[in-house]
Amino acid sequence: ETGVTQSPTHLIKTRGQQVTLRCSSQSGHNTVSWYQQALGQGPQFIFQYYREEENGRGNFPPRFSGLQFPNYSSELNVNALELDDSALYLCASSLTGDGNSPLHFGNGTRLTVT
Amino acid sequence: GQQVMQIPQYQHVQEGEDFTTYCNSSTTLSNIQWYKQRPGGHPVFLIQLVKSGEVKKQKRLTFQFGEAKKNSSLHITATQTTDVGTYFCAGPGNYGGATNKLIFGTGTLLAVQP
Repeated sequence: ETGVTQSPTHLIKTRGQQVTLRCSSQSGHNTVSWYQQALGQGPQFIFQYYREEENGRGNFPPRFSGLQFPNYSSELNVNALELDDSALYLCASSLTGDGNSPLHFGNGTRLTVT
Repeated sequence: GQQVMQIPQYQHVQEGEDFTTYCNSSTTLSNIQWYKQRPGGHPVFLIQLVKSGEVKKQKRLTFQFGEAKKNSSLHITATQTTDVGTYFCAGPGNYGGATNKLIFGTGTLLAVQP
């Protein structure tokens, strides 16, 4: 059974730039959720994808966008980066997207915006 | 909006002492999940509770779901240095326009002194 993998592990970008983060879900899971975790905080829900469609979005601006591919892998794109976007970005896959299934997290991508 | 609060924020114990973290939701939850995040790591699923008043044990860890399904607790007996990390509770809730997505609590950071 393959776990959730994310790339890259670390990234440094300049304010105003764009970034793409990637995630491969655990085998058998068709739902992928993205979370943002600032230092010392709990993970904050960004959005979720199910069968290539967005299936719920948290309180994040439209410059945060995503994709899910037929193999259930996913991308998170952030445009016009701001300093406050510096955080750990976590991808998690699950069997269902209704909050009743455990999330299996990847190791995360640590994004630093300077 | 819906909130999930945890107390304490931080606890420092001597190895061998017990530890408890409490989780309170502003709304009734269909289930509560607990995750552990080691320093520098990602959240790892520990357990899920579904029934009112449910109690589950994993070796030295005891998890409880309140009768009203709005609160939960995690108790660790005789802490070890391997217990170090942040413990998060999480339950289905509403994020902006998203329904039934896992909302994470504020977390409790446990430090264990040998």
